[in-house]
Amino acid sequence: EAGVVQSPRYKIIEKKQPVAFWCNPISGHNTLYWYRQNLGQGPELLIRYENEEAVDDSQLPKDRFSAERLKGVDSTLKIQPAELGDSAVYLCASSSWTGGYEQYFGPGTRLTVT
Amino acid sequence: DAKTTQPPSMDCAEGRAANLPCNHSTISGNEYVYWYRQIHSQGPQYIIHGLKNNETNEMASLIITEDRKSSTLILPHATLRDTAVYYCIVLKGPSSKTSGSRLTFGEGTQLTVNP
Repeated sequence: EAGVVQSPRYKIIEKKQPVAFWCNPISGHNTLYWYRQNLGQGPELLIRYENEEAVDDSQLPKDRFSAERLKGVDSTLKIQPAELGDSAVYLCASSSWTGGYEQYFGPGTRLTVT
Repeated sequence: DAKTTQPPSMDCAEGRAANLPCNHSTISGNEYVYWYRQIHSQGPQYIIHGLKNNETNEMASLIITEDRKSSTLILPHATLRDTAVYYCIVLKGPSSKTSGSRLTFGEGTQLTVNP
C-alpha cells in the first residue's frame, strides 16, 4: 500500500512569493492533517480535515495561509505571500477510524524562504 | 490533553534494550498514551499506544504504571536504525464523532544507538 505522498520535497522561494504544497493521503483515509515543523521542534498542527470539511484550523494563520481538500481526497496548502519565518518542513498526515488515532505521515516539504 | 515530560536525550548500545521514559502525571481516565518517532529527514512514524494495560507489537513494548502517571517505551534490541527522536503524546480516546485528533508534540527524546 502506498504511503502519504507529498510534493514537492524541497522548495526555495523569495519572500513575498506564493508557494503551494500538495498531499495525496493513503487511500480510504478520510482524515487529513497539515503540520508545520520548525527546526529543532516537534510538528504543530495547522489544519485537520474530515472528508472535505476543515474541523480544526485554529492554528492556521489565515491572513496568508489557505488550504483546500476538494472531493475529500487530495489537499493543497498555500502560502501567499511567504515570509522568512515560514521556512519550515510542512508535513501531511492521514488517518482513518480503526479504533485509534494512528496518523501516517508523508516525508514532508522543506520550504526555504530567502 | 495532558502534558508529558521526557528526557532530552539518551544513548543505547546496539543490540541492547532501549528504555525511554515519559511522565504524564496529569493524565485523565479517558486519555491514551501514544508513542511516535521521527528519524532524521523523515515524517513521524507511529509506534504504539495504550490506555492502561501493557502493550506489545512488532516494533516495541509499552509499559504503563498502575497509576498511569508514567510509561516506558521499550525497544528490546535496538539497532542503528532506531536512532531517532521519540515523542510521547497523551490524548483523549477516539469517539464516534470524529476519526481524528490533533497530535501535540513536545520536544521528545533524542535516542542515539551506538555501535
